[in-house]
Amino acid sequence: DAEITQSPRHKITETGRQVTLACHQTWNHNNMFWYRQDLGHGLRLIHYSYGVHDTNKGEVSDGYSVSRSNTEDLPLTLESAASSQTSVYFCASSEEPGVMNTEAFFGQGTRLTVV
Amino acid sequence: TQLLEQSPQFLSIQEGENLTVYCNSSSVFSSLQWYRQEPGEGPVLLVTVVTGGEVKKLKRLTFQFGDARKDSSLHITAAQPGDTGLYLCAGGSNYQLIWGAGTKLIIKP
Repeated sequence: DAEITQSPRHKITETGRQVTLACHQTWNHNNMFWYRQDLGHGLRLIHYSYGVHDTNKGEVSDGYSVSRSNTEDLPLTLESAASSQTSVYFCASSEEPGVMNTEAFFGQGTRLTVV
Repeated sequence: TQLLEQSPQFLSIQEGENLTVYCNSSSVFSSLQWYRQEPGEGPVLLVTVVTGGEVKKLKRLTFQFGDARKDSSLHITAAQPGDTGLYLCAGGSNYQLIWGAGTKLIIKP
């Protein structure tokens, strides 16, 4: 079965360190998204990609970067982790090329704590 | 800035009761999605509504899109413990998807 997997599931890191969260999907979807989920804020879009070598900033992109070198993977990098980036991070993918509002398939999330 | 407000934020009821969750905005959306999220998991799509006034049913869950496509509701009849979870609405166009903060629902046996 096709799926979307995130790793690690849990991560504790120190302030100032670079951290990379992995996201791998086997749906062969063009669209991939990174969200963070915080209490009271719902899901907030960090970065998204509509295809290989395409990346776009979302609502809360400061301090984060992504790269898309193939269809399956969209790693999220925190350049210099800050305590404000403690959150649960979700990766998602969707099928219909170049549009935002079709069904999204989510990974199980990565809980990141910055100490 | 577009906002999508969900209410209530938290609801705890007994098994067998009915409930309604609301998702409201001042903006018009081309579609409205409802997702359910269980602890430790990502959200899973329940339904998408696209036409003003549209009603969709999923077993005991009834979803309605407002006539003006600015609001939506989710009604659960005879709630079961298995309905427990975080319910998220998301209003969208081709170019953006606005998420509500969610309604945390607990159904007590």
